[in-house]
Amino acid sequence: AQSVTQLDSHVSVSEGTPVLLRCNYSSSYSPSLFWYVQHPNKGLQLLLKYTSAATLVKGINGFEAEFKKSETSFHLTKPSAHMSDAAEYFCVVSDRQGYQKVTFGTGTKLQVIP
Amino acid sequence: DTAVSQTPKYLVTQMGNDKSIKCEQNLGHDTMYWYKQDSKKFLKIMFSYNNKELIINETVPNRFSPKSPDKAHLNLHINSLELGDSAVYFCASSQRDRNTGELFFGEGSRLTVL
Repeated sequence: AQSVTQLDSHVSVSEGTPVLLRCNYSSSYSPSLFWYVQHPNKGLQLLLKYTSAATLVKGINGFEAEFKKSETSFHLTKPSAHMSDAAEYFCVVSDRQGYQKVTFGTGTKLQVIP
Repeated sequence: DTAVSQTPKYLVTQMGNDKSIKCEQNLGHDTMYWYKQDSKKFLKIMFSYNNKELIINETVPNRFSPKSPDKAHLNLHINSLELGDSAVYFCASSQRDRNTGELFFGEGSRLTVL
């Protein structure tokens, strides 16, 4: 069984300040982990992914995430928020087994204040 | 070139009607999915096809019937529409043998049932 928990449903930051979106997961297998971003009225776009290579993963638009097995976490960070970062963010776990069951978190809405 | 395309993007209809949403991917992937996103942004998988074979069929009313004429297309037909069917429906695709679980999403089809 696998699950993913996004600890905050809403995060609000000021433009230019750091962003931290938290994600914890559980999985019976060595998982793949993803962060997707969804801008209003748009589809989901992959930000970054962890697939058992380097534990610090860099993605698009200055985002990165660190896979911490001991803490079962995969938090998303960015040093300096930009107005265009305002969106819904989804943490996703895949078990990479068989038909690759994919489980989505409930999403974190990031608000960026000018 | 749009990798995963869905039509129509918006659909407004009356209760009791029947409607279809079409999805096509040009990524050469072997697996396609339908997800439903509710008003709280929660994403729930409905169906998955691998090489035209149904492999995931979550608890979805029989009024929903997917059809995959070939591995590049996955359509969703909904009979006797109900108010609760109002949502955004996302098509996605992946390549199973890459064993990562990464999904590529369409832009979504917003269904409003009146």
